[in-house]
Amino acid sequence: KQEVTQIPAALSVPEGENLVLNCSFTDSAIYNLQWFRQDPGKGLTSLLLIQSSQREQTSGRLNASLDKSSGRSTLYIAASQPGDSATYLCAVLGNGSDNNDMRFGAGTRLTVKP
Amino acid sequence: DAGITQSPRHKVTETGTPVTLRCHQTENHRYMYWYRQDPGHGLRLIHYSYGVKDTDKGEVSDGYSVSRSKTEDFLLTLESATSSQTSVYFCAISGYRDRAQKALESSTDTQYFGPGTRLTVL
Repeated sequence: KQEVTQIPAALSVPEGENLVLNCSFTDSAIYNLQWFRQDPGKGLTSLLLIQSSQREQTSGRLNASLDKSSGRSTLYIAASQPGDSATYLCAVLGNGSDNNDMRFGAGTRLTVKP
Repeated sequence: DAGITQSPRHKVTETGTPVTLRCHQTENHRYMYWYRQDPGHGLRLIHYSYGVKDTDKGEVSDGYSVSRSKTEDFLLTLESATSSQTSVYFCAISGYRDRAQKALESSTDTQYFGPGTRLTVL
């Protein structure tokens, strides 16, 4: 059974700082890994999706990396802003022949202070 | 934003009553999912659908049933609600994924989420 862990559970940084969020998973046989953002009381918004054959994806100030062999992914946020405050979740989709069961981490709650 | 709506957005009910949550999409996506989100557990898959009348169980399917009679609607039913089913329920959709052509279909793997339904069972 795939287990997804995110560390730290919460993080507070001053505005402008670069930061890294971590995600680890126990089964390296993945189809893809996705990073989401969730604002309080809202649904999830997809930020980046990395296919199993890829090593990283970038979108604006966000960069996500994937190391399947070690079961790790990181989300790098450059020049953080107060608007980045949210909970960030990573999710892993397995590589079975008919696997649609995406496994989520519990998330990292990020606070960026002005 | 993907066109996904959930109804109701909030519901309070009593133990033992039936409850149906509705997810409606306007994107014509093939796959639809129901998740629940609880503190400390993240999101967990309840059921999913890979086409009209085609559904399958997820990680936490006990006590839930689903139906999909048309592409745009996916219903989640709690036949007899229990307090342990108090949660926030999210619907998600994604495009068709053909594993034999995954290099071409990769852009459709992204899951898009609805705004959620907060269900309280007293």
